[in-house]
Amino acid sequence: DARVTQTPRHKVTEMGQEVTMRCQPILGHNTVFWYRQTMMQGLELLAYFRNRAPLDDSGMPKDRFSAEMPDATLATLKIQPSEPRDSAVYFCASGWNKGQAGNTIYFGEGSWLTVV
Amino acid sequence: KQEVTQIPAALSVPEGENLVLNCSFTDSAIYNLQWFRQDPGKGLTSLLLIQSSQREQTSGRLNASLDKSSGRSTLYIAASQPGDSATYLCAVHHSGGYQKVTFGTGTKLQVIP
Repeated sequence: DARVTQTPRHKVTEMGQEVTMRCQPILGHNTVFWYRQTMMQGLELLAYFRNRAPLDDSGMPKDRFSAEMPDATLATLKIQPSEPRDSAVYFCASGWNKGQAGNTIYFGEGSWLTVV
Repeated sequence: KQEVTQIPAALSVPEGENLVLNCSFTDSAIYNLQWFRQDPGKGLTSLLLIQSSQREQTSGRLNASLDKSSGRSTLYIAASQPGDSATYLCAVHHSGGYQKVTFGTGTKLQVIP
């Protein structure tokens, strides 16, 4: 049963600490998304990769957030330094994009981050 | 900028009732529209994907329709069950070969036994 895997599932950290979230997309998928979900803002796109190349990270605070895909099986989202306002659920999603029409995207279970 | 709106924000219905969830979007130049379900503390589960060339898709008790010209989609749930209680989100896949997706804020559904 193919699925998007995210770690950690839950993380509590102190303000100022570095947080790294990891995502393993579904094997064979060529697109990866990072979303942040909060009660106030709903789901916000932070970054989007296709074939491991970052195509859009306009939704990501550049001063403290960074997203990478070291290889096709791993995507990372890093926050340094973390702040209480970063507390949210961070979702990774993957899909297959042929360059024209989009297809179904699949979400992981999320990383629940609390910064105190 | 694409904006996706879902009304109502919350809905409570008795078990067995048929119901319709609404999704509207401002830019009709879309490729696909996807409906998701989110249970508390969980990720999003894909329910249905409607491609822009299609008018509707069906899966079991779910039927989703798409009217690009009017910027609307509906999710019809037949014979609702308590297990259908969840938040339902619609997501618009933007056109242009770039799989950017904009989500609505969701409708929280409660089906009362």
